[in-house]
Amino acid sequence: DQQVKQNSPSLSVQEGRISILNCDYTNSMFDYFLWYKKYPAEGPTFLISISSIKDKNEDGRFTVFLNKSAKHLSLHIVPSQPGDSAVYFCAARGYNTNAGKSTFGDGTTLTVKP
Amino acid sequence: ETGVTQSPTHLIKTRGQQVTLRCSSQSGHNTVSWYQQALGQGPQFIFQYYREEENGRGNFPPRFSGLQFPNYSSELNVNALELDDSALYLCASSSIDVNNSPLHFGNGTRLTVT
Repeated sequence: DQQVKQNSPSLSVQEGRISILNCDYTNSMFDYFLWYKKYPAEGPTFLISISSIKDKNEDGRFTVFLNKSAKHLSLHIVPSQPGDSAVYFCAARGYNTNAGKSTFGDGTTLTVKP
Repeated sequence: ETGVTQSPTHLIKTRGQQVTLRCSSQSGHNTVSWYQQALGQGPQFIFQYYREEENGRGNFPPRFSGLQFPNYSSELNVNALELDDSALYLCASSSIDVNNSPLHFGNGTRLTVT
């Protein structure tokens, strides 16, 4: 039973447009959510996070939205740039659970076309 | 600031053999976690170490074991290798003292079992 799901394996957008990556979770004990970005031959790098007490968090071009009632979060990238092309992983963990015990989705490969 | 480093980068082993993977944590971090990433999937939590003791374990059999050393470096050992153990093994460090600390990953070790 996969507790964190990213239902779109891939997404292709034009440079300058918005990229929206989605993530659903089933475990109601999750209360902290993170997005990681992974380039080929590199490890995942932390991008942005959100706590369950918020419904939105922004960092520059990246915004994460959380809908707790729907157990859904999304990552918006505006404007998208070719350098954003990578695999994006959604991750979740429970209250007072430290970073090591995160549950990841299977990732969405984003391609931003020039 | 020194990042997370892993060695070796690639490894080929035969079924039934044993393997040891190594990781140096990012400076200032006191927790190390290991993840297995199979092709097309997200990272799966194997276990975490803090103060040289296992501090949480995912759904992996006992033939997966680890060590954390006083300098916070770590080893992942896998005995009796099976073909399904072929994967990218990621080491990640974090600070248990920092609330909501994200994971900092190394670039991984690609293990192939033949």
